[in-house]
Amino acid sequence: DAKTTQPPSMDCAEGRAANLPCNHSTISGNEYVYWYRQIHSQGPQYIIHGLKNNETNEMASLIITEDRKSSTLILPHATLRDTAVYYCIVRAGSGNTGKLIFGQGTTLQVKP
Amino acid sequence: EAGVVQSPRYKIIEKKQPVAFWCNPISGHNTLYWYRQNLGQGPELLIRYENEEAVDDSQLPKDRFSAERLKGVDSTLKIQPAELGDSAVYLCASSFGITGNTIYFGEGSWLTVV
Repeated sequence: DAKTTQPPSMDCAEGRAANLPCNHSTISGNEYVYWYRQIHSQGPQYIIHGLKNNETNEMASLIITEDRKSSTLILPHATLRDTAVYYCIVRAGSGNTGKLIFGQGTTLQVKP
Repeated sequence: EAGVVQSPRYKIIEKKQPVAFWCNPISGHNTLYWYRQNLGQGPELLIRYENEEAVDDSQLPKDRFSAERLKGVDSTLKIQPAELGDSAVYLCASSFGITGNTIYFGEGSWLTVV
């Protein structure tokens, strides 16, 4: 299963864009990149996922490099409520199937 | 629409006692997952169900853990007897099918074994 590497922690000023990087150099051609976040005392929350094209939804944007070896999650205007642990996950199995294998994630601290 | 519902939210038990957790997945979701999350770590899969069949239970410690999903909807996860190292958050999640569908998590059941 492809593994991901994320910085353990990051800070971001409130109102600014938060850019969270993720390396997944061993990703297979049919594996998707998923992002979840976990706010303290809550279950993981789905944010966004993609295969090779950039994706955007109401929560965030996902930028995947052309070689697919890394990606960046962008929260365009971070708020204090975005403080959480962010997990970058390559979904195991063939294509967009199978279980999620979580790593350590990045703890994002949004500061006033 | 209701999300994944879990109970109890918090549980404190003495070691060697049994404990059970209940999960009600999102309506229509036939795939159900149980994850365990230790403090400071990411969640780890314990078992995955497709309808009432357990299709991946390779990470479930079968000597003391058991799970069931009798009618392909609700599920229970049981630990008997509990050990100190079982203190963790037990997360239930569900999805519709296994092909290209988002997995949604419940709030988790926090277990403390003393």
